[in-house]
Amino acid sequence: EDQVTQSPEALRLQEGESSSLNCSYTVSGLRGLFWYRQDPGKGPEFLFTLYSAGEEKEKERLKATLTKKESFLHITAPKPEDSATYLCAVQARIQGAQKLVFGQGTRLTINP
Amino acid sequence: DTEVTQTPKHLVMGMTNKKSLKCEQHMGHRAMYWYKQKAKKPPELMFVYSYEKLSINESVPSRFSPECPNSSLLNLHLHALQPEDSALYLCASSQEPSGSRPNRYEQYFGPGTRLTVT
Repeated sequence: EDQVTQSPEALRLQEGESSSLNCSYTVSGLRGLFWYRQDPGKGPEFLFTLYSAGEEKEKERLKATLTKKESFLHITAPKPEDSATYLCAVQARIQGAQKLVFGQGTRLTINP
Repeated sequence: DTEVTQTPKHLVMGMTNKKSLKCEQHMGHRAMYWYKQKAKKPPELMFVYSYEKLSINESVPSRFSPECPNSSLLNLHLHALQPEDSALYLCASSQEPSGSRPNRYEQYFGPGTRLTVT
């Protein structure tokens, strides 16, 4: 069964304090791993797709990396506006249709 | 443009009411999804439409009835809901993988409808 586990569940950082969020996964044949950002009461915002081990993608202060078992979302010198829940998901094909399997998310708080 | 729109933004309904949620995308995506999200939980898949046909129903109670009138629109009809159905309802869309682009599968989410059942 496809599974995604994110850690930590919650993370508090000071502004400018860099850190990483972890997403470990088990999936039969990875077709894609996705990172989303979600603000309270809003829909998830797509950030990155990673397809193969060794792949890296960057956007502003965020950098996503992928190995055969896990993905990391590195946050460099974060600002308070980076506070959000970050969701990781893997693509699975079930009953002939595409489906995302989500982790529980990491709630990130950046204090000024 | 990667926008998915949803209406209404907020909805309060009684347990005997009938209401509908609407979702629209103009990205040419042929897969559309309904999710339910409770506080501090990830989105939970309800339905998947592929080329306007229902392809996944995650054992959702019949008081939720999806409809896909065309490739750009997705509706969720609500009837006789329970208070525990109160949640954020999210619509998403994506391309369907093709032979030339097997991995183009990013789902783009709308802003959601906050539903409260009283």
